[in-house]
Amino acid sequence: AQTVTQSQPEMSVQEAETVTLSCTYDTSESDYYLFWYKQPPSRQMILVIRQEAYKQQNATENRFSVNFQKAAKSFSLKISDSQLGDAAMYFCAYRSANSGNTPLVFGKGTRLSVIA
Amino acid sequence: DSGVTQTPKHLITATGQRVTLRCSPRSGDLSVYWYQQSLDQGLQFLIQYYNGEERAKGNILERFSAQQFPDLHSELNLSSLELGDSALYFCASSARPGVGNSPLHFGNGTRLTVT
Repeated sequence: AQTVTQSQPEMSVQEAETVTLSCTYDTSESDYYLFWYKQPPSRQMILVIRQEAYKQQNATENRFSVNFQKAAKSFSLKISDSQLGDAAMYFCAYRSANSGNTPLVFGKGTRLSVIA
Repeated sequence: DSGVTQTPKHLITATGQRVTLRCSPRSGDLSVYWYQQSLDQGLQFLIQYYNGEERAKGNILERFSAQQFPDLHSELNLSSLELGDSALYFCASSARPGVGNSPLHFGNGTRLTVT
């Protein structure tokens, strides 16, 4: 079974600075998808960014980008120009692509604080 | 707004009782997933339905059951409730026909408190 590990339970960043959240995963599959979800205090689960494993190019979405290292099974999230609204729990998630529309496997999350 | 609707938003009940949580997926999505999030924990996958049929099972207790109806809405039934069942229960949906592997879109969750 696949597992996702987020080794940083908590992180903090100064407003306008850059922070990187770590995620590693364990799988024997070659085809899969990786996601970062944000959970603000409202408890909503909001998709931040996604990466297809077959793509070598790292995904970017505005201030959010990933560093996808397939051989190392690493998928870190970089937040640039951090804003107060970025404060939230961030979850890394894995999804197998082998059998279509499979569930997400989540890490335990990293709580990000943004300091004004 | 993700388009996934969960009701009720909050539920308070006593140990030993039974409750039903309801989920309406995004229009056109065929797959529904249920997740449990205990206090300050990650999301644990419970069960998935695809077009009315059970597709995958996770760490779902025997006291819990679910189903997906012909109109694609889903219900999660929790019985013989225990204090440890207090959690946030999320429903998510995905899988519009003709769209490749899409991300899960989550509802706002149902907060269950067992006293």
